[in-house]
Amino acid sequence: SQQGEEDPQALSIQEGENATMNCSYKTSINNLQWYRQNSGRGLVHLILIRSNEREKHSGRLRVTLDTSKKSSSLLITASRAADTASYFCATDRSGGSNYKLTFGKGTLLTVNP
Amino acid sequence: GAGVSQTPSNKVTEKGKYVELRCDPISGHTALYWYRQSLGQGPEFLIYFQGTGAADDSGLPNDRFFAVRPEGSVSTLKIQRTERGDSAVYLCASSLYQNTEAFFGQGTRLTVV
Repeated sequence: SQQGEEDPQALSIQEGENATMNCSYKTSINNLQWYRQNSGRGLVHLILIRSNEREKHSGRLRVTLDTSKKSSSLLITASRAADTASYFCATDRSGGSNYKLTFGKGTLLTVNP
Repeated sequence: GAGVSQTPSNKVTEKGKYVELRCDPISGHTALYWYRQSLGQGPEFLIYFQGTGAADDSGLPNDRFFAVRPEGSVSTLKIQRTERGDSAVYLCASSLYQNTEAFFGQGTRLTVV
């Protein structure tokens, strides 16, 4: 079953604009990770944020986590055409089975040149 | 190796045939995972290995699916009597330990005709 739900399902922006994607989940978690996937193949790990963290940065990426609302957001600043991909959040549950990642259906981001 | 390697990248097989999908994890990673991704969905957990043993195979859909990791490194996912519904991208991931960043391979796209 899919715990995470990304929102929106699809997002189309112009190069240079910022892109914000959201993720909601249902159970308590240890970590939340964001991945990028090009053309339905391998997942590229972008960033991991722990449940006791509220914000994390990596290059043009900014991730926030609100455990009270069970939600996270991924912001990509100054987007580029090469950022076009599907983006997934994945959570691992706190407690037992915390190795198991549960993914949402993803957000398809299109960055137009 | 530098990343998780999966072979073959594509596999077309006839209904009823047996297939093996191989995963070569990042050297030194103790944890290995198999996921399956159907079109338009996020990856779904199949099985988790810690070392040589399958610590959790609860995601395997039925007894036609089996996976091994005999020496704690390379893993093989085996599917017997393939069905058209088995068509999907099969993704392998590894992590240094349980509950750390998981790095994915490029996947094997399996098509059952």
